[in-house]
Formats: sequence, structure tokens, C-alpha cells
Amino acid sequence: GQQVQQSPASLVLQEGENAELQCNFSSTATQLQWFYQSPGGSLVSLLSNPSGTKHTGRLTSTTVTKERRSSLHISSSQTTDSGTYLCAIEDTNTGKLTFGDGTVLTVKP
Amino acid sequence: NAGVIQTPRHKVTGKGQEATLWCEPISGHSAVFWYRQTIVQGLEFLTYFRNQAPIDDSGMPKERFSAQMPNQSHSTLKIQSTQPQDSAVYLCASSLDTGVEQYFGPGTRLTVL
Repeated sequence: GQQVQQSPASLVLQEGENAELQCNFSSTATQLQWFYQSPGGSLVSLLSNPSGTKHTGRLTSTTVTKERRSSLHISSSQTTDSGTYLCAIEDTNTGKLTFGDGTVLTVKP
Repeated sequence: NAGVIQTPRHKVTGKGQEATLWCEPISGHSAVFWYRQTIVQGLEFLTYFRNQAPIDDSGMPKERFSAQMPNQSHSTLKIQSTQPQDSAVYLCASSLDTGVEQYFGPGTRLTVL
């Protein structure tokens, strides 16, 4: 089945710095989503980006489908960006999402 | 749009008791998914309905877990004879169809004592 690897496992930044999160997956995907989860919080969909580059606010995601990788760039990080960022790939046949283990981002003031 | 609604938000049961978790998907969404999140296993797929029909339950523990979707406005996940290892956050998600963005509810935190 699909395997999703995220790196780094954790990242500590000073406020204002940029973050680069990586997601690698083992099989071709027709759908890829990046989620944010605050400690004890629910999953919030940030971007849906199966291919190409998408922007929303301070977030930019680039997915290279044939290389089976995606990145999430967070510019000018803020303390409120702290939390876990999860990459999820949709199974082409069933629609279910397979999640990576996430990147825990800590932004210090 | 209220988003995906899950009730209760927290549930505590004793070992061997039954737990029923409820999910109301976003109106108009034809696909409904159940996932489970634990610290050890992370996020795991449980089961999936499309237009109320069960499509894939490959992630469901077979003996004690069951899910239903009696109408387009709600789905239930039932766990019989709950065990401490069932303790987790159970998440429901819905989407317009497969291949498009899934939206998650706030989850139900189940604690089995």
C-alpha cells in the first residue's frame, strides 16, 4: 500500500524565518492534501495539491507527481504557526487517505 | 456551513461497554470516511461510505467495530465490548466525491478505562 514519509520530524524556528516541509510518497497519487493540527486540535485542511504549485496566504505547496514528492513552504513564520503539519495521499482506487507521521513545527518569539 | 459535526466530543467507557460515535457530514457530500488517531499509530483509515453505501472497511477491526450510514445526513461508528487499546481520537471526514479535498470533523476522544 501507499507509504508517506515526512521530513523533518521536527523543526524549530525563530519568528519571521521560513519553513520548508517535505513529503515523499511511494505510489502515484491523484490527490494530495496538507493539513495542520494544533496540539489537541482538529485537522484543518491547508492545501489540496496533487500536482504543480499552489499558493494560499503565506503557504506555497509544490508537488512533482512523477518524482512522488511534495513540499510545503511557510514564509515569515509566526508563533501561531506552531503545531503539526501532516501530508496525506489519497488512494486512487478507494479514496482513503494515507497520512505521514507529520512535522512538528515550533516557532519561537 | 457548519462543517463536519461529531458527537460526543469526549466519551469515557468502562472496559467491555459499548460506544457509539456519531458523524454528520457536510450537506451535499457523497463520501464519508472514518479515521482513528493515536500517538503510537498516528492517523489510520477505518472505513468509507459513498452515497451511503459501504465501499471499503479494510481498516476496521473485524470483530467489535461496525459502521453504518442509514441516511445521507449521518453515520455511526459502533464499538462493542470496548478495550483500553480502543482509546483514541476517532475522526470523521467528508468530501464531495473521491479525488477531491476531504474535510475533517473535530473528532471524538474515546477513553476506555
